This record gives sequence, structure tokens and C-alpha cells, in this order.
Amino acid sequence: GENVEQHPSTLSVQEGDSAVIKCTYSDSASNYFPWYKQELGKGPQLIIDIRSNVGEKKDQRIAVTLNKTAKHFSLHITETQPEDSAVYFCAASRGSGGSYIPTFGRGTSLIVHP
Amino acid sequence: EADIYQTPRYLVIGTGKKITLECSQTMGHDKMYWYQQDPGMELHLIHYSYGVNSTEKGDLSSESTVSRIRTEHFPLTLESARPSHTSQYLCASSGSIYGYTFGSGTRLTVV
Repeated sequence: GENVEQHPSTLSVQEGDSAVIKCTYSDSASNYFPWYKQELGKGPQLIIDIRSNVGEKKDQRIAVTLNKTAKHFSLHITETQPEDSAVYFCAASRGSGGSYIPTFGRGTSLIVHP
Repeated sequence: EADIYQTPRYLVIGTGKKITLECSQTMGHDKMYWYQQDPGMELHLIHYSYGVNSTEKGDLSSESTVSRIRTEHFPLTLESARPSHTSQYLCASSGSIYGYTFGSGTRLTVV
């Protein structure tokens, strides 16, 4: 089955700095890669996703890159703000023809110091 | 507003009690899931359903059971709660192969 590794487990940055979280996956048939943000006391929320037919996707201060050859994908947050502090999860799944159920990484706790 | 709701948010219960965690969604999603989230925040799939009258066990062995009699409702039941069941339980739904919508979770403490 799929295996997703996520690093680092904890990331501490100063407000205004950039933050990068990296994930690797093992199943070359995976073709959908979402990222979730979980704030304290809430459930995870989908913040951005990428499909295997593109290499990069951007939404304001967040971007995700995908390298299918190396089987890794990354979340980039620029100009970090204290409200970006949360736990972030990456995930990988197959689309049609496979299981819809994603395999999640173990999470990264991002702390943005004001 | 379309959303997914979990009740209760917090529950403290004694060992041996039967409990049901409620999960309802108003988005008409056919797929629903239950996850257990450990203190280290890792997510473990315990049950899922692809539609009415369809339920499957997930990767994490669990003593809980689920039912899916209506599309919008996916309750999780523990017949006899134990301290080892103390955890955060998250319900999620999806209407396609892309992306989940999670509820806010139920934090269960068994004393």
C-alpha cells in the first residue's frame, strides 16, 4: 500500500519568514495530493491540492509543488503570519481505478512567532 | 449552509458505558469516514462508508461499530467504553475522489 512520509514534525519560524513542509510517497499510481490545515480545537481543513498532471499550484501565500519522478511534494508558505500556526497534513491517493481513501502524513506542527 | 456536524464536542464517560458519537452532513456526500487522532496528531482510519448500507473497517483495529442507514448520518458506537478509547474522533465526508470535509471532532475521555 501507499506510504507517506512528512518532514519536519515541528517547524518554528519568525513572522514574515517562509515555511516549507515536505512529503514523499511510495505508490507511483497516486495522482492526487491534498494539504490540510488543522487549527487548535478544529478538524483538518483542505487548503490546497494538486493533481499529478501539474507540477505547481499557487493560491495567494501558499503553493504546492509536485515532482512525480522523485515522488515528493512540498507545501510552501510565504510571508508567514501568526494565524498560520497550526498542524499541517499532506496526503496522497489514487483517483478513479483505485481507492479514494488518502494516506496521510504524520503532520507538521508549524509555529509562527510574532 | 452545507457542513458536517459532530456531537458531542466533548464527552467524559465511565468505563463500561455504551456511547454513540454522532456525525451528520448536509452536503449529500456519499462517502463518509471516521478517524481516530492520537495525541501526536496522527490520523488513523477506523471506519468508512461509500453509501447507504455500506460500511468497512479501516486500517486501525477498533472495537467500535458504525451504521449508514441514511446518506447524511454516520454514527459511531462503542458498546463498552474503556480508558484505551480515550482519544479525539474525527468524522469526514467527500462527494468525489478529491478532498475531504472534516467535522470539528469529538474529544472522548473514558474514566
